Amino acid sequence: DAMVIQNPRYQVTQFGKPVTLSCSQTLNHNVMYWYQQKSSQAPKLLFHYYDKDFNNEADTPDNFQSRRPNTSFCFLDIRSPGLGDAAMYLCATSRDLVRTGSTDTQYFGPGTRLTVL
Amino acid sequence: DAKTTQPPSMDCAEGRAANLPCNHSTISGNEYVYWYRQIHSQGPQYIIHGLKNNETNEMASLIITEDRKSSTLILPHATLRDTAVYYCIVYEYNAGNMLTFGGGTRLMVKP
Repeated sequence: DAMVIQNPRYQVTQFGKPVTLSCSQTLNHNVMYWYQQKSSQAPKLLFHYYDKDFNNEADTPDNFQSRRPNTSFCFLDIRSPGLGDAAMYLCATSRDLVRTGSTDTQYFGPGTRLTVL
Repeated sequence: DAKTTQPPSMDCAEGRAANLPCNHSTISGNEYVYWYRQIHSQGPQYIIHGLKNNETNEMASLIITEDRKSSTLILPHATLRDTAVYYCIVYEYNAGNMLTFGGGTRLMVKP
């Protein structure tokens, strides 16, 4: 049973053309995260939503924005994709923020691989 | 600054135990050790976590040294489907703190 769903799995866009990646969850979790993972690198957190509260990582470029219209859906908007934005984009959820020692672990979707031409 | 050090890659024979080490010599008293893995073209998957005591679940065992400066993730009977990148993360919850993935170990299980 799919719990964190990302569509599409593969996305091709042109340099400078806005693109939106989507994520949905069936877990009713409060927190949703977006990560960027470039080839052979570890996932890097871009931002997260705790319910409706948006939290941006300090080094996330302004080119990346996010929307969470409701509990189930979260979108990643890349306003003007550059060649360096080609990567796997991972969405994750957790019931609450991952508190020390808790079982509130993160559940990841399969990712969307973005190609920028 | 990386909080954990892992070997970049390891091989393991199918059916044997895979022992993946992780050094976290600067771990603080309240930080837990978490392990995730990422199979090729999939999102990371939670495996196990612990503080001081050894932990076991249906996926793996986690052995943490008494001084907590290192740990070992054990897959008791590795299968080809365990081929993945394994991430060791030390983490303590506080406001603004998030799980941060390091380099990881690429485990290759061979027939």
